[in-house]
Amino acid sequence: DGGITQSPKYLFRKEGQNVTLSCEQNLNHDAMYWYRQDPGQGLRLIYYSQIVNDFQKGDIAEGYSVSREKKESFPLTVTSAQKNPTAFYLCASTLSEGSSPLHFGNGTRLTVT
Amino acid sequence: GENVEQHPSTLSVQEGDSAVIKCTYSDSASNYFPWYKQELGKRPQLIIDIRSNVGEKKDQRIAVTLNKTAKHFSLHITETQPEDSAVYFCAASILRTALIFGKGTTLSVSS
Repeated sequence: DGGITQSPKYLFRKEGQNVTLSCEQNLNHDAMYWYRQDPGQGLRLIYYSQIVNDFQKGDIAEGYSVSREKKESFPLTVTSAQKNPTAFYLCASTLSEGSSPLHFGNGTRLTVT
Repeated sequence: GENVEQHPSTLSVQEGDSAVIKCTYSDSASNYFPWYKQELGKRPQLIIDIRSNVGEKKDQRIAVTLNKTAKHFSLHITETQPEDSAVYFCAASILRTALIFGKGTTLSVSS
């Protein structure tokens, strides 16, 4: 069954700690994305990658880092430099960048206290 | 970069009425305009999309219109039903970039 898997569903961390959110897809999609969702703010782009070993910053990349070592995987690290990390994080992929429908994972809700 | 404005932020209608959500975009090079529906606690799901070479597209009770000159596009839902209640997001993208989303519209359909 093809799709995007985000894990874990819920994640709790103490302030000052880095945390990595997992995103894996078996759709053979080239492009992968990370969005952050806050109430009333829509989906804001953090990072995206159109090809292995390459990625671009989105509108709110500060305090986040990513890697794309494999086509199937696009992990997101929320660093201690991110001032307001508590949010719902959505990973997505498309067959080709830009003009294609996004397929979303089920999301990870991160709470930092 | 691209900026997408979406209105209204909340919309309440009676069952059977029509609902219209409007979005404007800033970059005239944008060529892809999808609409997503997100139910509470779930991931966004694509409901309809349109490309810049098309002015209108319909799928049963849902339609999207695009005005490239004015740089705005709209979602039209006819004969609304309670199960249409959700948050709707518009988005826009330029070829070889990522989708930029509006802030969402919470649609409530009361029976």
